[in-house]
Amino acid sequence: AQRVTQPEKLLSVFKGAPVELKCNYSYSGSPELFWYVQYSRQRLQLLLRHISRESIKGFTADLNKGETSFHLKKPFAQEEDSAMYYCALLSGGSYIPTFGRGTSLIVHP
Amino acid sequence: NAGVMQNPRHLVRRRGQEARLRCSPMKGHSHVYWYRQLPEEGLKFMVYLQKENIIDESGMPKERFSAEFPKEGPSILRIQQVVRGDSAAYFCASSPPTGEYEQYFGPGTRLTVT
Repeated sequence: AQRVTQPEKLLSVFKGAPVELKCNYSYSGSPELFWYVQYSRQRLQLLLRHISRESIKGFTADLNKGETSFHLKKPFAQEEDSAMYYCALLSGGSYIPTFGRGTSLIVHP
Repeated sequence: NAGVMQNPRHLVRRRGQEARLRCSPMKGHSHVYWYRQLPEEGLKFMVYLQKENIIDESGMPKERFSAEFPKEGPSILRIQQVVRGDSAAYFCASSPPTGEYEQYFGPGTRLTVT
């Protein structure tokens, strides 16, 4: 069975500081991994997926199969980045992602 | 395209009553998913439906919970005889029939059982 672990419930940083939201997974096959974001009073939305290898809003995430991690990073945090971030895994052939419990990012001015 | 719609946004029920949560998927989407988010926990999958079919209900409690996605109209998540432990945020997501990975989420319904 697959599992997604986000070890930090809360991450608090100051504006301009680097930020890294951790995500570790357990799955024996080749997973698809995603980061979803939920801004205050907004719906959950896809931020990025590992296959696309793109940077969205300055965020990047690299899949590290050796460490089974998919950490989300941004070199300089902005106040508008404050939100809940969820890491999710999709196993081969499945439509149903497994979500981590989420990390609340607070960026202070 | 208005996106995935859920109503009501907030629902208060007394113990023993029934709760009905509605989800209208995005236009052109025929796959619907329901998730529950308990306080301090992540999103937990409940059920996956296509029009008139339940595809996967492995995350659904065996009793009191049911879901449907009729040919016409929204998907309904029904909770009978609610208990305090059912208090949670319930999210619906939809995806198109082409097998795309991305799910589009609704704003959620927050159920409070008093």
